[in-house]
Amino acid sequence: AQTVTQSQPEMSVQEAETVTLSCTYDTSENNYYLFWYKQPPSRQMILVIRQEAYKQQNATENRFSVNFQKAAKSFSLKISDSQLGDTAMYFCAFMSPNTGNQFYFGTGTSLTVIP
Amino acid sequence: KAGVTQTPRYLIKTRGQQVTLSCSPISGHRSVSWYQQTPGQGLQFLFEYFSETQRNKGNFPGRFSGRQFSNSRSEMNVSTLELGDSALYLCASSLETAATQYFGPGTRLTVL
Repeated sequence: AQTVTQSQPEMSVQEAETVTLSCTYDTSENNYYLFWYKQPPSRQMILVIRQEAYKQQNATENRFSVNFQKAAKSFSLKISDSQLGDTAMYFCAFMSPNTGNQFYFGTGTSLTVIP
Repeated sequence: KAGVTQTPRYLIKTRGQQVTLSCSPISGHRSVSWYQQTPGQGLQFLFEYFSETQRNKGNFPGRFSGRQFSNSRSEMNVSTLELGDSALYLCASSLETAATQYFGPGTRLTVL
């Protein structure tokens, strides 16, 4: 079975600062994908970033980047130059084609950006 | 392209009733997945449909069912509602297997 763990229920960061959200996962699969989704108070889940396990290079999307450590099964999200609009719940998710299209989500980290 | 749409956005039902929720995926997407989100259990997978066939099912009782139509639109049905069914129900669509899932705004179901 696949499990995803987010050990930080709540975090806060000053506007313009950098923050890192942690995620670890457990799987016996070799072919899989990892995601970070953001869920603002409006509740629409939005894709932040995606990482293919076969790629060694860490994914980046503007101010968002990941630190993917496959051997350690760790997948952290770094948000640079934090903005007020980054305030949201962040979910780490795992998916493997070998287990269908099912996403396994962590319990989420509530991030507050302080002006 | 229009995003994933879900109707209705809010729903209030009483125990014992049944409810049907609808999801229209992004145009061209053939896979539709459903998730239940609650404060206590987080995001839990209900089922996935691809080309009108249920491919995967989560650990939910038989009161939860779904279907997908030829135009990829999907519905989920919950019969004999219980108080614990109160949740945000999220639908997500993807182009194919192993593709990114894009979520709708959800349907907030309250069971009284």
